[in-house]
Amino acid sequence: KNQVEQSPQSLIILEGKNCTLQCNYTVSPFSNLRWYKQDTGRGPVSLTIMTFSENTKSNGRYTATLDADTKQSSLHITASQLSDSASYICVVSAGRSGGGADGLTFGKGTHLIIQP
Amino acid sequence: NAGVTQTPKFRILKIGQSMTLQCTQDMNHNYMYWYRQDPGMGLKLIYYSVGAGITDKGEVPNGYNVSRSTTEDFPLRLELAAPSQTSVYFCASSYAGHRHTEAFFGQGTRLTVV
Repeated sequence: KNQVEQSPQSLIILEGKNCTLQCNYTVSPFSNLRWYKQDTGRGPVSLTIMTFSENTKSNGRYTATLDADTKQSSLHITASQLSDSASYICVVSAGRSGGGADGLTFGKGTHLIIQP
Repeated sequence: NAGVTQTPKFRILKIGQSMTLQCTQDMNHNYMYWYRQDPGMGLKLIYYSVGAGITDKGEVPNGYNVSRSTTEDFPLRLELAAPSQTSVYFCASSYAGHRHTEAFFGQGTRLTVV
């Protein structure tokens, strides 16, 4: 069964500090992995999408890494800001023959709180 | 550019009532989706559409219906509301299939069935 596990479930850090969120997956066959940011009361917004051949991708202060061999991804946030407080969702896309109707398996998310 | 717009943002229904969640997008995307997000759970696909006149079931379609008469609109219908349908509903759209590209999400509709 395709699964995406994220850790930690929640995290509190001080403004200005760095943090790393983890995502482990068992989706097969693998197509791509994306990270979404979801502010409270809003819909998810895409941060990065990585395919099998990409092992690092940045979007401003957000850097995602992918290790397709170990089926792990991380999202590193540098110099955190209060606006980074949100849930971060890891989503893995299966290849043409796998996954559900949209080929996606969503993680439950990591709830990040940035304190001043 | 409005993107994906959902209405209403909040709604309380009594058991057995019906309602339609509205979704419209102005990006001329062919693909549209309805997801539900339960507390502490990942998003689950309810229905999706690959173009006007074409709809198909997702992972959790029971109790819902959809239609896609135009490229812009993709309403979700609840016929007989049940407490299990209490959730936050998100409509999304994408240029190509969500399997391959990012999707753009609406702000969500928080539905409570009592």
